[in-house]
Amino acid sequence: AIQMTQSPSSLSASVGDRVAITCRASRGIGNDLGWYQQKPGKAPKLLIYAASSLQSGVPSRFSGSGSGTDFTLTISSLQPEDFATYYCLQDHSYPLTFGQGTKLEIK
Amino acid sequence: EVQLLESGGGLVQPGGSLRLSCAASRFTFSNYAMSWVRQAPGKGLEWVSVTSDSGGSAYYADSVKGRFTISRDNSRNNLYLQMNSLRAEDTAVYYCARWYISAITKYFDSWGHGTLVTVSS
Repeated sequence: AIQMTQSPSSLSASVGDRVAITCRASRGIGNDLGWYQQKPGKAPKLLIYAASSLQSGVPSRFSGSGSGTDFTLTISSLQPEDFATYYCLQDHSYPLTFGQGTKLEIK
Repeated sequence: EVQLLESGGGLVQPGGSLRLSCAASRFTFSNYAMSWVRQAPGKGLEWVSVTSDSGGSAYYADSVKGRFTISRDNSRNNLYLQMNSLRAEDTAVYYCARWYISAITKYFDSWGHGTLVTVSS
């Protein structure tokens, strides 16, 4: 199975900050990666698919980059509603695997 | 708007069985692959299983292979997860999710609210 290593596991930041979360795959996955946001007690929500494509309705301050083994989710200017947990997911092959998650907290 | 409503969760003893259901509505269910994803209390997301749009193929996480079976009834717009030989580590919220597949990408584009399964004596 492809292992996804996500970092950092937690991150403190302020409204307006630019933040980046990374995911590394244990082997090359092309651009077969998505990013999901989850708020407490809620189901996850798709933000980015195919490594860099923004899901419809998602604010443009979210962006994704990378290919192969290294991927990044960037939030250009944090808003209060962005404080949540973020997960990457590789869809290159089954079994699908998520990163461990990054909890983004208010500083 | 797509609706996915899970049911069937509850408390079960180790070694027991449980069947989860997911009722889908407001989209053409038979056109989409469907999946189960779980989340243990305070932990991250773990993919469990996926079934093709027809139900003709399925894949499983190693942690549940041989114990869980995914199935679907396209005439009733329902997805199922039969869980046997349950263990304490299967305790989690189980989400039903629509697995969108195109020629160039795949992703979970809709999720249910989840149903809690607790395995404990």
